[in-house]
Amino acid sequence: NAGVTQTPKFRILKIGQSMTLQCTQDMNHNYMYWYRQDPGMGLKLIYYSVGAGITDKGEVPNGYNVSRSTTEDFPLRLELAAPSQTSVYFCATYPGGVTKNIQYFGAGTRLSVL
Amino acid sequence: AQTVTQSQPEMSVQEAETVTLSCTYDTSESDYYLFWYKQPPSRQMILVIRQEAYKQQNATENRFSVNFQKAAKSFSLKISDSQLGDAAMYFCASFQGAQKLVFGQGTRLTINP
Repeated sequence: NAGVTQTPKFRILKIGQSMTLQCTQDMNHNYMYWYRQDPGMGLKLIYYSVGAGITDKGEVPNGYNVSRSTTEDFPLRLELAAPSQTSVYFCATYPGGVTKNIQYFGAGTRLSVL
Repeated sequence: AQTVTQSQPEMSVQEAETVTLSCTYDTSESDYYLFWYKQPPSRQMILVIRQEAYKQQNATENRFSVNFQKAAKSFSLKISDSQLGDAAMYFCASFQGAQKLVFGQGTRLTINP
């Protein structure tokens, strides 16, 4: 069972470069999320989606963009990378409906901007 | 905005002893869920235990249990018979509108052999 797959696992960017963090799920979950975790801190919500074609901002959306064209994929785009975006990024999913309200996390992407 | 606060940046316990990690939260919702997640050095987020706010009974999962005090908005995690594999960062989190998780700052737990 693949679950939530994030690629790449590690990436180093130079200031001003752009990149896309990929997130794919095979559980047919409606809800998908992007979080960032700064060193020694908890996770903070960047963007989320309640279904294909619908996205909304979380707590820390500046410098990021997302799209949700399919149920399976929820890519996170970084434009003009800055050192402040050095962090570990987690993608998560949630099925919605009457469930145990558990989110399922990917393994994370460690990003360094130098 | 809803908040989750963990006031203990670090905790340590002797192997086989019991340790309690503290968490307080703030919410205006009447129905919500609370979670404890474990994050080992691999960075994987592992769900330890969950609590539904409408249930008065404290949740338990083997050696892990919670003390849920709804009126005080407190949600502590007790780990009994601590094992070396319990060493990790522990995050308290609440489930709010649109099923978004709000996390605390984390507590780093060290197990001394």
